[in-house]
Amino acid sequence: GESVGLHLPTLSVQEGDNSIINCAYSNSASDYFIWYKQESGKGPQFIIDIRSNMDKRQGQRVTVLLNKTVKHLSLQIAATQPGDSAVYFCAEKEGAGGGNKLTFGTGTQLKVEL
Amino acid sequence: DAGVIQSPRHEVTEMGQEVTLRCKPISGHDYLFWYRQTMMRGLELLIYFNNNVPIDDSGMPEDRFSAKMPNASFSTLKIQPSEPRDSAVYFCASTEGGNTDTQYFGPGTRLTVL
Repeated sequence: GESVGLHLPTLSVQEGDNSIINCAYSNSASDYFIWYKQESGKGPQFIIDIRSNMDKRQGQRVTVLLNKTVKHLSLQIAATQPGDSAVYFCAEKEGAGGGNKLTFGTGTQLKVEL
Repeated sequence: DAGVIQSPRHEVTEMGQEVTLRCKPISGHDYLFWYRQTMMRGLELLIYFNNNVPIDDSGMPEDRFSAKMPNASFSTLKIQPSEPRDSAVYFCASTEGGNTDTQYFGPGTRLTVL
């Protein structure tokens, strides 16, 4: 029979444009957030992280924004390139008492059009 | 740094057979995690270890699954007997611990149970 899988949201952008990938988290006790990139056939690759005492952090071509008031996390990719095409996952870690577990979102498929 | 190493990269087996997946974490990392990724359920944490001791195995599906970490540089995830619904990509990840929460993933083992 037909298999039903997770429906990944898809974001399509033109090469050179900026991309914004959003993530809503549910646990107000989370104190650490991280973004991963997963290319087909590979393991998740660390992109950037942020702690709850910050609201913005920048890396090379990437910026993560954290809004704790509405429990929202976003990943901004500047000048998107074809090599950025992948599935992007956000993950959160609960603070004290939550152990070292990361809870992952379902992911967003980024497609870069030439 | 070689990163997290997993073997085998692909495993095809028949229902009822025993399957053993292997992982070597990054040297010096105190935490090791086993994840399973499927289209239906996304990325799920199965179990994690700290200093070779299992800390949380609440994600292990059932008694057919077991994991060990006999030393700081080696862990196994065993499925006995395997079933077709165990077909998935299994990832191992490790992190230093302490003030560091970033988990680094291996390339995964794609398991197919016929």
